[in-house]
Amino acid sequence: AQTVTQSQPEMSVQEAETVTLSCTYDTSESDYYLFWYKQPPSRQMILVIRQEAYKQQNATENRFSVNFQKAAKSFSLKISDSQLGDAAMYFCAYRSGGKIIFGKGTRLHILP
Amino acid sequence: DGGITQSPKYLFRKEGQNVTLSCEQNLNHDAMYWYRQDPGQGLRLIYYSQIVNDFQKGDIAEGYSVSREKKESFPLTVTSAQKNPTAFYLCASSILGDSQNTEAFFGQGTRLTVV
Repeated sequence: AQTVTQSQPEMSVQEAETVTLSCTYDTSESDYYLFWYKQPPSRQMILVIRQEAYKQQNATENRFSVNFQKAAKSFSLKISDSQLGDAAMYFCAYRSGGKIIFGKGTRLHILP
Repeated sequence: DGGITQSPKYLFRKEGQNVTLSCEQNLNHDAMYWYRQDPGQGLRLIYYSQIVNDFQKGDIAEGYSVSREKKESFPLTVTSAQKNPTAFYLCASSILGDSQNTEAFFGQGTRLTVV
């Protein structure tokens, strides 16, 4: 069975600094998708970034980028120039076929 | 506007009663999902459906039931067999097939409290 592991329950970063959130996954599939979602206090789930497993190039979205290491089954999220609005729960997610599973999340605190 | 609507936002029920959570989408998505969120547990998959009249159990299906009679609707029933039903429930939908837009779109969630 596929699993997604986020080993950092909480992290803190100084405003304007860079932080990296870790995610590893376990699968025997070769074709899948990976995502990072943000959940602010409103609890609305917001897509941050997606990565197709067949693409070697790491995805980027403005201040957000990923380090996708397929052989190591690792998918970390880097947030550059952290802002107060980045404070939230961040979830790593894996999709293969019709099933989408999530990790337990990392709570990110931004220190002013 | 296209989106996913969950209702109600807050729901209170007495122990031993079944309760149904509503989820409707007008995004024309084939796949729909139900997740349960508890503190420190992330999102755990309860059930998912890829096509009308078909659905699959997720990781924590015990004590829950679903139906998919229409493409737009995927209601979740929390039965009295669910030992600890108090939680935040999230419904999601997505397209299927090979596409860049394969992410799940989420509703606002329903907070269920059983007393």
